[in-house]
Amino acid sequence: GAVVSQHPSWVICKSGTSVKIECRSLDFQATTMFWYRQFPKQSLMLMATSNEGSKATYEQGVEKDKFLINHASLTLSTLTVTSAHPEDSSFYICSARGSGPLSWANVLTFGAGSRLTVL
Amino acid sequence: AQKITQTQPGMFVQEKEAVTLDCTYDTSDPSYGLFWYKQPSSGEMIFLIYQGSYDQQNATEGRYSLNFQKARKSANLVISASQLGDSAMYFCAMREGVSGGYQKVTFGIGTKLQVIP
Repeated sequence: GAVVSQHPSWVICKSGTSVKIECRSLDFQATTMFWYRQFPKQSLMLMATSNEGSKATYEQGVEKDKFLINHASLTLSTLTVTSAHPEDSSFYICSARGSGPLSWANVLTFGAGSRLTVL
Repeated sequence: AQKITQTQPGMFVQEKEAVTLDCTYDTSDPSYGLFWYKQPSSGEMIFLIYQGSYDQQNATEGRYSLNFQKARKSANLVISASQLGDSAMYFCAMREGVSGGYQKVTFGIGTKLQVIP
């Protein structure tokens, strides 16, 4: 089945540094990728939707300059948290949708998530 | 307004019994889809079941079935014969089209299910 690889799984960084999280579709072409943020014991909050080759569409309240999303190829999307601060500490999860049949069943596949801790 | 509403923060169920997790949704898109995902303590999101808005029959996947009541805008998840490994957070999610021609998927706040031996 479809597999999405996300790394790093864990990252600890100092305040003010930038962190890049990668999301790769291993066996399918991901035309659309979604980036979510999840606080402890809360739901997934959609941050942005990225389509290959075009600019990401950010949800209201999400800082575009803070959370840079790049979807340069059909198998790779990256989220860069720039000038990270402790309040950016969270669990970030990507998901990918493949091209092909119109059915959405089984075509929204999630990565395992990346836990970011900013000191 | 909430797009996805899950009103049960926590649920308990006896092992081998069935349990229903509630989900209601709100959308103006006539073509939408509903998902249920399971998130164990490890954090990974595990796809369980999907229902398209035009699907005539309720979706089923093994022990999981989705009770789709379109007029009521509800998409409850039914887990039959609960197992200890079913203890996890369960999220209802909806995909819908939005302005700009793209689709987005939003999640409810989740229900924590605990299966009791």
